[in-house]
Amino acid sequence: NAGVTQTPKFQVLKTGQSMTLQCAQDMNHEYMSWYRQDPGMGLRLIHYSVGAGITDQGEVPNGYNVSRSTTEDFPLRLLSAAPSQTSVYFCASRRRQAGDGYTFGSGTRLTVV
Amino acid sequence: QQPVQSPQAVILREGEDAVINCSSSKALYSVHWYRQKHGEAPVFLMILLKGGEQKGHEKISASFNEKKQQSSLYLTASQLSYSGTYFCGTVNSGGSNYKLTFGKGTLLTVNP
Repeated sequence: NAGVTQTPKFQVLKTGQSMTLQCAQDMNHEYMSWYRQDPGMGLRLIHYSVGAGITDQGEVPNGYNVSRSTTEDFPLRLLSAAPSQTSVYFCASRRRQAGDGYTFGSGTRLTVV
Repeated sequence: QQPVQSPQAVILREGEDAVINCSSSKALYSVHWYRQKHGEAPVFLMILLKGGEQKGHEKISASFNEKKQQSSLYLTASQLSYSGTYFCGTVNSGGSNYKLTFGKGTLLTVNP
């Protein structure tokens, strides 16, 4: 199993550009989430999904869109990049069972100039 | 709303013990604990479900006081490999069991 795979690992964008961060898992996990991590702020939830076709907003959803057309994939779209979106982005997944923890991808470091 | 972790940072010598606390203003369904080493992704340590259970994982254990909406992570006889940032994540009662909100983290440094 590859686990949770995120691409790209690094990305530099210009203000106003759009892009998609990819996330794929091969563990048949129902739940998937996107977090951003900024110094001193911990991990903040952007969007999450409980299954294909179902998504919801987290704490900091503005400027981001998600969709979940399959169980495996959960891409995160930046609509019009801003310097405030410079961050490290983590995708995570877990099974529906209440006793399971999240498995995280290795992250995408995004810089918006 | 983010849970509150304390302390923000702690420095230990190898073999010493530490306690990291996590508290929430809302009723909790579960508490997760993760460790993140510098430049890496967070790694799941353990989960505690409501019921006030205590769990253990080698020399790392945790408790969950549902009534006080608090959890504590106990690291005993610390090793160099324990260094990293520890995050608690909480799931509120009465809602979904998948919306996990993290605290800001506790930086643990273990020195020889």
